[in-house]
Amino acid sequence: DTGVSQNPRHKITKRGQNVTFRCDPISEHNRLYWYRQTLGQGPEFLTYFQNEAQLEKSRLLSDRFSAERPKGSFSTLEIQRTEQGDSAMYLCASSVTRDGKGGNTIYFGEGSWLTVV
Amino acid sequence: DAKTTQPPSMDCAEGRAANLPCNHSTISGNEYVYWYRQIHSQGPQYIIHGLKNNETNEMASLIITEDRKSSTLILPHATLRDTAVYYCIVRTLNTGFQKLVFGTGTRLLVSP
Repeated sequence: DTGVSQNPRHKITKRGQNVTFRCDPISEHNRLYWYRQTLGQGPEFLTYFQNEAQLEKSRLLSDRFSAERPKGSFSTLEIQRTEQGDSAMYLCASSVTRDGKGGNTIYFGEGSWLTVV
Repeated sequence: DAKTTQPPSMDCAEGRAANLPCNHSTISGNEYVYWYRQIHSQGPQYIIHGLKNNETNEMASLIITEDRKSSTLILPHATLRDTAVYYCIVRTLNTGFQKLVFGTGTRLLVSP
């Protein structure tokens, strides 16, 4: 499978614990995005990397959230001191600056479900 | 990004064509129309995109009106596996950062 890979797919954690999600983008995709999706809503943008540089962050990304992409390949999203409101699906996506379709098509992974109890 | 308007839900019989409309009356000249779908509990799946010409691929066809203020995604022979939420999104395509802004989409139910 050469798509965007996310791990773990499901995580149940107690309130106050820290969790980390990993994303492996499509090979050679230099752009990487994190989104969050709650039930009944469309995905919401969290943050964006171009190579290893984090260039955009949404106001949704509170100081308890941190994302890294240390070598411009895989990325991690850490949530510290989790709260019940953090329960959601966390989506990773990737793209290249230009692709054969004449643009910057963004491809998503299957998501990581977080439940905070 | 320009806002899009989609019906909240649609039904389609298996084997028939599903025509999903999208209004994007404030679209700019350099903005593309993108369609994604999301099957329950999975990540969004890219379907197709276009600027002003009609587009077709192995998944669907995209018909964009001449004034570009609306478009229709066509699934020519819907199957039960096409039951999903379909999102219409407009965005520019350039080398700079462009995020996807999702609305609530159209929930398509394909029935036997």
